[in-house]
Amino acid sequence: EPEVTQTPSHQVTQMGQEVILRCVPISNHLYFYWYRQILGQKVEFLVSFYNNEISEKSEIFDDQFSVERPDGSNFTLKIRSTKLEDSAMYFCASSENRLNEQFFGPGTRLTVL
Amino acid sequence: AQSVTQLDSQVPVFEEAPVELRCNYSSSVSVYLFWYVQYPNQGLQLLLKYLSGSTLVKGINGFEAEFNKSQTSFHLRKPSVHISDTAEYFCAVRSTDKLIFGTGTRLQVFP
Repeated sequence: EPEVTQTPSHQVTQMGQEVILRCVPISNHLYFYWYRQILGQKVEFLVSFYNNEISEKSEIFDDQFSVERPDGSNFTLKIRSTKLEDSAMYFCASSENRLNEQFFGPGTRLTVL
Repeated sequence: AQSVTQLDSQVPVFEEAPVELRCNYSSSVSVYLFWYVQYPNQGLQLLLKYLSGSTLVKGINGFEAEFNKSQTSFHLRKPSVHISDTAEYFCAVRSTDKLIFGTGTRLQVFP
């Protein structure tokens, strides 16, 4: 069964450093998403991406964040200068269209020291 | 704005007992509702969804949910739980492109 994959599973970084989180969505899906879950809290939407551009973003997704689909398979989330409060589990998701269910990857745990 | 409320942060239950996890939504437009499960140290897995049609929705692992428009609820039920159902359960509503999640309910099944 096709699935969303994410790398790395765990990333540790120093405050102020740049990180890139990688995702490979399901191959025939057209909509891509990033969510995050701070420890003990609910899952929060960050950004959605369709047709090579951002279709929606939350207040959390400020200028420190960017997304890219550099090739036909990868979807990345970059945080330019990490802060302590960026520590969270980051989930990538994809869907065939806007109405269908979103399939989630296993997540990348980001720890900012 | 659409939102989801999960009133119970934790639900303890004995194995083979029935369980109901509550979810209420607020929306002024057509709703698309989902239940996801998160096992320890894993990602989110879709249990079931309501997009339209029958208000009783059956999902994986023996779970089902009923969409109740008048009560703005989408409660998740299982007639007999197993130890392996111990997990965090999230109700979500689709809003434009994104999913809005509730705060989650931790289901703890005891032997």
